[in-house]
Amino acid sequence: EPEVTQTPSHQVTQMGQEVILRCVPISNHLYFYWYRQILGQKVEFLVSFYNNEISEKSEIFDDQFSVERPDGSNFTLKIRSTKLEDSAMYFCASSIGQGVEQFFGPGTRLTVL
Amino acid sequence: SQQGEEDPQALSIQEGENATMNCSYKTSINNLQWYRQNSGRGLVHLILIRSNEREKHSGRLRVTLDTSKKSSSLLITASRAADTASYFCATDGGTGGFKTIFGAGTRLFVKA
Repeated sequence: EPEVTQTPSHQVTQMGQEVILRCVPISNHLYFYWYRQILGQKVEFLVSFYNNEISEKSEIFDDQFSVERPDGSNFTLKIRSTKLEDSAMYFCASSIGQGVEQFFGPGTRLTVL
Repeated sequence: SQQGEEDPQALSIQEGENATMNCSYKTSINNLQWYRQNSGRGLVHLILIRSNEREKHSGRLRVTLDTSKKSSSLLITASRAADTASYFCATDGGTGGFKTIFGAGTRLFVKA
């Protein structure tokens, strides 16, 4: 069964460093999303992406964040200069259409020291 | 309170009992979804109910939606220990799917 994959599973970085989190959505899906979940808290929407552009973004998704679909299969989230409060689980998701079931990846645990 | 608030925050039941979780939201929606998350892992989609639907079933799951009260409930019948997880409702906030807003979740513990 097709699934969303994410790499790495765990990323440790120093404050101020740039990180790139990678996702491979399900191949025939057209809508892509990033979410984050700080330990013990709820899942927070970051950004949605369709047709090679951002469709919607939250207040969390400031200038430090960017997304890219560099080729036909990968979808990346870049954090330019990480802060301690960026430590969280980051989930990628994809869906075949708008307003339908989203399939989530297993997540990348980002730890900022 | 935030969009998509669930109650109770935690629920502990015996295997075989039914579990009911509730969700309230604030804005208009096009659809509402329920997801499950096992500890520290990704979310698994359970069921989607559209704003013009009042009830939906999937196996042991039953979801209701009352748009006049801006609330939904998830019922899991004949619960099993394997149902132990966190359950989240999520709405599109009226955006039609570009933005998904999750609630804080209900932690369900089913005792064998």
